Formats: sequence, C-alpha cells, structure tokens
Amino acid sequence: QQQVKQSPQSLIVQKGGISIINCAYENTAFDYFPWYQQFPGKGPALLIAIRPDVSEKKEGRFTISFNKSAKQFSLHIMDSQPGDSATYFCAARRSSNTGKLIFGQGTTLQVKP
Amino acid sequence: DTAVSQTPKYLVTQMGNDKSIKCEQNLGHDTMYWYKQDSKKFLKIMFSYNNKELIINETVPNRFSPKSPDKAHLNLHINSLELGDSAVYFCASSQASRLAGTQETQYFGPGTRLLVL
Repeated sequence: QQQVKQSPQSLIVQKGGISIINCAYENTAFDYFPWYQQFPGKGPALLIAIRPDVSEKKEGRFTISFNKSAKQFSLHIMDSQPGDSATYFCAARRSSNTGKLIFGQGTTLQVKP
Repeated sequence: DTAVSQTPKYLVTQMGNDKSIKCEQNLGHDTMYWYKQDSKKFLKIMFSYNNKELIINETVPNRFSPKSPDKAHLNLHINSLELGDSAVYFCASSQASRLAGTQETQYFGPGTRLLVL
C-alpha cells in the first residue's frame, strides 16, 4: 500500500526524442505526486508536481500525465536534451503534517547527442 | 546562499566507529528530514522533525539518533557503524502549510557520502 513502482529502471533516448517514465501506486489516499531530478553527486530537486484533481500538468518540456482510475502517472520529457541526462524519481504523499514522501525506485535517463 | 547544506560531504570511517553528519537550512522552514539513498539509488525517509519535534521515525536501527537543536539544524549521529550503513545521506527541509494541513515542497541538500570500511 505504501509502495510506488517506477519503470523503466534505465532509459536511453536520442536528442530531440521523447522520454517517458511511468509510475504506479496503490494507496488511494495519496494526493500529491512530485517528480524529482537528480544529477550525479547532487541532491534531488523538484522538477514538477501534480495533484489528482487534474489529468495533466505541463511546465516547459516536462509534462505529467495522471490517470486516477488506473492509479498511474507518468513524466514525459519532450525534445529531450543531453542536459536532461539524470536520474528521475517519482514520489507520492498523502496530506499530513509529516510530509512523508514515498519514492519510486528511480530511472536513469541518458540522452545521446 | 546555500539553501540546505550538509557537512561533511564525504565520510570514510572504520566499522564500529561513531560519526555525526550535520545539516543546516537557511530557508526559514520549520520541518527537516533525513533520507538514506542506497547503492541502487533508492531513497527512503528515516526521520523528520517539525519545530524540533520528532514527527517521522521510520524503522531505523536505534544506532541512528537524530537531534534538532533548533528548527534550522538537524544532525544525525550514528553509533557503532556497520558496513551496511554505507550510503548517501540526504537532509531536506520544507515548510508546513497550516492552511492546507500538509507540507510544501521539500528541498534537498547535496548529500553526505558515507563509506564504512
């Protein structure tokens, strides 16, 4: 119930292509779904986040698609660039004063020039 | 102008030693966290403090003891270090949203890479 499952584990995309990373969750009490980006040797940084009252959120080249009935959400990176090469984590949280985030297993993205 | 800082950045030590990692945030947040990232990059929360009060205490060996002297600092002390403690430890902070009854965005520090030999 507390797990967030992320796939694929690794992804190689050509420059200009679309990168797609998928996550699935079980706990229907989750109501906040952020994506974090982590570069080697750095801490994770919030990329984009969505709440279940919308089905899609777009910020620049990054889009989250959310399917509440399927309990799935995904990150789409349009026009992928070599600078996007990083590890991406989906996460989920239910509203509480603790802010406890449950992270997916991570996806290492490599964008080839 | 570092938002969340951790010291040291690297820590190499022998099994059985006791070590501490320090974290400071200058964002004015009232909640701080410790996460462990293992060799497969899996991130798992360990502890969280809100206004110096422990609010999350996951299933972590009691060799790990967090201490929050004030809401801008959260330290992690580890006793009797074991090989399996080798990992990257991240501190994070966020601001509680009283109106929403939840926490706002978590900001992570750069991590402390601990290697136990």
